[in-house]
Amino acid sequence: KAGVTQTPRYLIKTRGQQVTLSCSPISGHRSVSWYQQTPGQGLQFLFEYFSETQRNKGNFPGRFSGRQFSNSRSEMNVSTLELGDSALYLCASSLDMTNTQYFGPGTRLTVL
Amino acid sequence: QKEVEQNSGPLSVPEGAIASLNCTYSDRVSQSFFWYRQYSGKSPELIMSIYSNGDKEDGRFTAQLNKASQYVSLLIRDSQPSDSATYLCAVILLGGGADGLTFGKGTHLIIQP
Repeated sequence: KAGVTQTPRYLIKTRGQQVTLSCSPISGHRSVSWYQQTPGQGLQFLFEYFSETQRNKGNFPGRFSGRQFSNSRSEMNVSTLELGDSALYLCASSLDMTNTQYFGPGTRLTVL
Repeated sequence: QKEVEQNSGPLSVPEGAIASLNCTYSDRVSQSFFWYRQYSGKSPELIMSIYSNGDKEDGRFTAQLNKASQYVSLLIRDSQPSDSATYLCAVILLGGGADGLTFGKGTHLIIQP
């Protein structure tokens, strides 16, 4: 069974731009969660989608948004990028939120 | 108080010894507990999950859960240099905040040959 895939793997943007990251979950998994990982803050929960609905949201500003499609694929968008948004963005999929989550390889975003 | 706390380390253990990693969590309702391993530059990979009090063994790894003490640990027996990585404790916390998988900041483990 194929694992979680994320595209692109690396991204360089400048301040003020916006970015869209994509995540394809493991086949059959309906829950997709997004995390931001930085050296100082560790892994922080952004939001979780299940059956196209955002069920949970972490403590991030409204510049961070996401959506999920009917095939469970998910996208995350960050608008008006700031230098502090430079991070590894990880997507994880699971059957449901309380089940084991499996991570994709991540997207490394650098904001200049 | 952070919701999931781990000693950041580094924890240095000689090859062949037992590595003991610890994690405490807040008093929000907790259902599921996980240990992930993350190598530098890579994404976290699941080592073990544990849902009920007691010990759970898988090969060289043993997870221990004590809900009364809000404590979960991971033991690695016969430590190998390839075990050198950051170990992340994760807990699904419900109620009183954002529900979901909450991670500690990880313990950096170094196995010395």
